[in-house]
Amino acid sequence: GQNIDQPTEMTATEGAIVQINCTYQTSGFNGLFWYQQHAGEAPTFLSYNVLDGLEEKGRFSSFLSRSKGYSYLLLKELQMKDSASYLCAVILREAGTALIFGKGTTLSVSS
Amino acid sequence: DAGITQSPRYKITETGRQVTLMCHQTWSHSYMFWYRQDLGHGLRLIYYSAAADITDKGEVPDGYVVSRSKTENFPLTLESATRSQTSVYFCASSETSGRGTDTQYFGPGTRLTVL
Repeated sequence: GQNIDQPTEMTATEGAIVQINCTYQTSGFNGLFWYQQHAGEAPTFLSYNVLDGLEEKGRFSSFLSRSKGYSYLLLKELQMKDSASYLCAVILREAGTALIFGKGTTLSVSS
Repeated sequence: DAGITQSPRYKITETGRQVTLMCHQTWSHSYMFWYRQDLGHGLRLIYYSAAADITDKGEVPDGYVVSRSKTENFPLTLESATRSQTSVYFCASSETSGRGTDTQYFGPGTRLTVL
């Protein structure tokens, strides 16, 4: 079966750096997405990794190691508005374009 | 640019009733998806569609029916609603590059309560 693991909750303070980890055991891996979801809202796209390495996009960066089945999302210079759930999702080659999601990590940023 | 919309946004129904959730996108995306989101489970795929008249089951299809007669619409029907189908339902769409790696864009969700 497919398995994606993320920590359930994390807390951090404004201005800090936080790293949200995601490990996966899946077959036919074809890429990994990170989505942000504020409470009561739809998930919104943050990043996509298919090759090993780091992808940087402003305050957010995402890293992938396919050999280790591991990814992380790095958030720098945290702001209160970054309080949200962060969803790791894997795309499987044999499932068309369907995403398999982890349960999400709820990040709380305090002042 | 309306993007992807869902209706209704909130729905309360009773066990055994038929309910249809609507999804409409204006991007002419080929792929459309239905997910449900429950506490403790995250987002789970119900059904998806690669094009008009092409649909396929996801992880949790039982109790649901879909159709896709037009590219822009992808309705989800609960034929006989059960309390276990109380959830938040998200529709999503994506273009296709043929590699299956295009970003999915989500609608605002429908919060369904089955009493």
